[in-house]
Amino acid sequence: AQTVTQSQPEMSVQEAETVTLSCTYDTSESDYYLFWYKQPPSRQMILVIRQEAYKQQNATENRFSVNFQKAAKSFSLKISDSQLGDAAMYFCAYRNPITGNQFYFGTGTSLTVIP
Amino acid sequence: DAGVTQSPTHLIKTRGQHVTLRCSPISGHKSVSWYQQVLGQGPQFIFQYYEKEERGRGNFPDRFSARQFPNYSSELNVNALLLGDSALYLCASSLLPQPPIDYGYTFGSGTRLTVV
Repeated sequence: AQTVTQSQPEMSVQEAETVTLSCTYDTSESDYYLFWYKQPPSRQMILVIRQEAYKQQNATENRFSVNFQKAAKSFSLKISDSQLGDAAMYFCAYRNPITGNQFYFGTGTSLTVIP
Repeated sequence: DAGVTQSPTHLIKTRGQHVTLRCSPISGHKSVSWYQQVLGQGPQFIFQYYEKEERGRGNFPDRFSARQFPNYSSELNVNALLLGDSALYLCASSLLPQPPIDYGYTFGSGTRLTVV
């Protein structure tokens, strides 16, 4: 079974600074997708960024970028120029594109942005 | 367009009771998945339905069941509620059960169930 580990239960960052959230995963599959989801107090899971395992280039979405290390099974999220609205729970997730009828989520990292 | 709609938003039930949670997917989406998110944990997969058929089931007891209707909306039923069933129940819809990456999934805001 696939497992996703987030070792940082809580993180904080000063507004306008940069923060990196860590995620590791375990799988024997060679093709898969990785995701970062944001869950604000509204509770809805919002997609932040996604990475296809077959792509070597790291995904970027505006202020959000990832460092994908396939051999190390590591998938960290970097948030640049942090804003107050970035404060939320962040979940790392894994899905297999072939059998991928389910996400495997980590336990989450609570991000606080300090004004 | 309306997003994924879940009802009710909150409810409180007593141990041993039964509960039904409802989900309306995004218009045009034919697949609905259910997740349980216990406080302090990430969501865990319960079921996926596509075209009214069960396409996947997570490691949950038979007290949990679901169904999908012709309009693609879905119900999650939980019988004989336990205190440990207290959680946020999330619904996610997608065009297909295993969508290409560009379609993706859209989550609702969940139903907060408290069992006392």
